[in-house]
Amino acid sequence: AQTVTQSQPEMSVQEAETVTLSCTYDTSENNYYLFWYKQPPSRQMILVIRQEAYKQQNATENRFSVNFQKAAKSFSLKISDSQLGDTAMYFCAFLGGNKLVFGAGTILRVKS
Amino acid sequence: GAGVSQSPSNKVTEKGKDVELRCDPISGHTALYWYRQSLGQGLEFLIYFQGNSAPDKSGLPSDRFSAERTGGSVSTLTIQRTQQEDSAVYLCASSQDRWNTEAFFGQGTRLTVV
Repeated sequence: AQTVTQSQPEMSVQEAETVTLSCTYDTSENNYYLFWYKQPPSRQMILVIRQEAYKQQNATENRFSVNFQKAAKSFSLKISDSQLGDTAMYFCAFLGGNKLVFGAGTILRVKS
Repeated sequence: GAGVSQSPSNKVTEKGKDVELRCDPISGHTALYWYRQSLGQGLEFLIYFQGNSAPDKSGLPSDRFSAERTGGSVSTLTIQRTQQEDSAVYLCASSQDRWNTEAFFGQGTRLTVV
């Protein structure tokens, strides 16, 4: 069974600084996708970034980038130049087989 | 509609009553997922549909929970004889197909069992 682990329940970062959120996963699949979703207080889940497992190059979307280590089954999210609007719950997710499985989430607070 | 629509957005029910939660996925999306999110917690997988069939029902917590999908579109999650521990936000998501790279979420139904 696939599992996703986020070991940081809460994180804080100063505005304009950089923060990294950790995620590890366990799977026997070889082809899969990984995602980071953001859930602000509005409750709406928003896709932040995605990574295909067959691609070695780390995905980047503006201020958001990932460090994908396939052998270590690690998929961390780096947020550069943090903004107040980045305050949210962040979920790491794995898509393989029949399931889209989520981690427990990390609450990120950006402080001014 | 343009996005995934869930109704009702909020539901308060008495313990022991049955409830139905509805999800309207994005038109043309064949994959549909239901999740449960307790206050401040992660997303607990409940069930996945590909078209009208549910290849994976492993997440349904008990036989009080059931879900169906008709016409490859609308899905209904039914909870019978609700209990207080069923109180949570129920989220629905759809994607174009099983391997599509983005699942789009509705805003959820907040269920409160009193």
